[in-house]
Amino acid sequence: NAGVTQTPKFRVLKTGQSMTLLCAQDMNHEYMYWYRQDPGMGLRLIHYSVGEGTTAKGEVPDGYNVSRLKKQNFLLGLESAAPSQTSVYFCASSYSRDRSTDTQYFGPGTRLTVL
Amino acid sequence: ELKVEQNPLFLSMQEGKNYTIYCNYSTTSDRLYWYRQDPGKSLESLFVLLSNGAVKQEGRLMASLDTKARLSTLHITAAVHDLSATYFCAVDVGDYGGATNKLIFGTGTLLAVQP
Repeated sequence: NAGVTQTPKFRVLKTGQSMTLLCAQDMNHEYMYWYRQDPGMGLRLIHYSVGEGTTAKGEVPDGYNVSRLKKQNFLLGLESAAPSQTSVYFCASSYSRDRSTDTQYFGPGTRLTVL
Repeated sequence: ELKVEQNPLFLSMQEGKNYTIYCNYSTTSDRLYWYRQDPGKSLESLFVLLSNGAVKQEGRLMASLDTKARLSTLHITAAVHDLSATYFCAVDVGDYGGATNKLIFGTGTLLAVQP
């Protein structure tokens, strides 16, 4: 049981390049989330998904797109990377059938630098 | 604007001492989470607080929630070096009728326990 995994772990892009971050979970969770973490700002929600084929915007969605074609995978895309998107990106998932114990489980993170 | 504020932002304490981290939030919510993050690592769930007056304890950490005051506390008892990490609170602003937990994170409290 690997939990939540993210690919790649590190990436350096040039301004204007595109890339896709992959998140995979093997816990059969319905809900998945993408966050970014910047120094001194905590985590901010980019997009999230409440089930296969659904996505919704979070706090800071501009410049990002997402897709959830399979229940276990949640993709985050940057179409034209900008230096302001330099950050650490975390994926998370949760089950939410029993809200009394539900929490989000986080992946190891992807450190992205945009030059 | 929704705000989740933690204080202090940085806490240096000696082993064996007690201290409290505070998490204030500006919106109505009945669910709050505490997470721990070690340097360069992912986030680990510590507590899920579900209702007013909720108190949970694990080892040297105890968390409480006062929804009327919109305040949660994380109390550290007899700190040890292994507790050194960044601690985040996160407020659930998801829709109560559904099962989405949309989290707004505080900026984190960096705890350094000195031997």
